[in-house]
Amino acid sequence: DGGITQSPKYLFRKEGQNVTLSCEQNLNHDAMYWYRQDPGQGLRLIYYSQIVNDFQKGDIAEGYSVSREKKESFPLTVTSAQKNPTAFYLCASSIRHYSNQPQHFGDGTRLSIL
Amino acid sequence: DAKTTQPPSMDCAEGRAANLPCNHSTISGNEYVYWYRQIHSQGPQYIIHGLKNNETNEMASLIITEDRKSSTLILPHATLRDTAVYYCIVRVAGSNDYKLSFGAGTTVTVRA
Repeated sequence: DGGITQSPKYLFRKEGQNVTLSCEQNLNHDAMYWYRQDPGQGLRLIYYSQIVNDFQKGDIAEGYSVSREKKESFPLTVTSAQKNPTAFYLCASSIRHYSNQPQHFGDGTRLSIL
Repeated sequence: DAKTTQPPSMDCAEGRAANLPCNHSTISGNEYVYWYRQIHSQGPQYIIHGLKNNETNEMASLIITEDRKSSTLILPHATLRDTAVYYCIVRVAGSNDYKLSFGAGTTVTVRA
């Protein structure tokens, strides 16, 4: 089945540690996105990528980094500079960036601090 | 993007149709209506979208009024697994408005 796979489902970070969240899609979508969702709050965009080897900052990019070396993959690194990383992280993809086609989401990674 | 208004919650009996309303009275001509749902601790799931014509897929039907100021999502035979928060959003397609923004949504509880 086509879809978006995020791993791991749960992740724990120690102080001063960088962690990487995986996002893989087999939908042949050009555009990919990373959002953060905090309890009782909506989605906030961290980074997005319109095409391979390109990515742009979203509204809350500080303390995060991404890469887009392959069309299928858009990993997110939460660095030690992100002081409040505890959240539910969601990866999404869409056929193209400028399109009426919807974004489709993975099942998320829940990150907590040890 | 136009703002949407949804009831905060609604109950539905299992096996019956669930009709979820959404008001978007300030929608503009090039804005689409999208519906997503989010089951607890899972990622949002796309359901359906439309511009002005009614749409149907394997999950649901979307009825958009002729003036496009409101719409209704219909789950034809609700099951317990349809219990979730449902979000109605409107977005301009083909613009630089790339980020999704969910409001409070409607918490739908399907009861046996």
